[in-house]
Amino acid sequence: DTAVSQTPKYLVTQMGNDKSIKCEQNLGHDTMYWYKQDSKKFLKIMFSYNNKELIINETVPNRFSPKSPDKAHLNLHINSLELGDSAVYFCASSQRGVGVSTDTQYFGPGTRLTVL
Amino acid sequence: EDQVTQSPEALRLQEGESSSLNCSYTVSGLRGLFWYRQDPGKGPEFLFTLYSAGEEKEKERLKATLTKKESFLHITAPKPEDSATYLCAVQAKGYQKVTFGTGTKLQVIP
Repeated sequence: DTAVSQTPKYLVTQMGNDKSIKCEQNLGHDTMYWYKQDSKKFLKIMFSYNNKELIINETVPNRFSPKSPDKAHLNLHINSLELGDSAVYFCASSQRGVGVSTDTQYFGPGTRLTVL
Repeated sequence: EDQVTQSPEALRLQEGESSSLNCSYTVSGLRGLFWYRQDPGKGPEFLFTLYSAGEEKEKERLKATLTKKESFLHITAPKPEDSATYLCAVQAKGYQKVTFGTGTKLQVIP
């Protein structure tokens, strides 16, 4: 049973196109995230939703728009794709911690986006 | 702003040769420090969470320790299957955001 799944795994597209990446988690978590991992393997947070509410919105071009239809799904739509958008995008989920506990994040397999 | 620095960037070990990976961090009140393992073409896989200085956690050949400024991931008698990139991350108190380091790429040679 896949805990955090993403589709598609690979996405090759032309500059200027619009594309979406989908993420689903079956862990019962209430918080989901999108990360971008560049060619140097640096993982950078983009967005986070808690119970369908946007709680983290890092400095990301407004061509990127997350959408959370319910707490088990978080999709990422990208408009007018640019060469610099080429990267691996990871979805993650966690259960928001209470008190001293933390939000251990569990990651999906990633979507490799290549913009030509 | 929270910062995480990992060293070395890459480490090559002979099978059975124990070593340590370092994660230095700066955070305004640590809520938790995380270690992940990432294999090529896959998502990061959770290993440990450490909450306070002095805490240690173990899993098979891996042992993670934490001080107020850094964390170490000790690898005892590594095997080739331990080859991966190991990522360290921190979360500050009162914040949801987790900040990752750039990782240490470990190669264990038979």
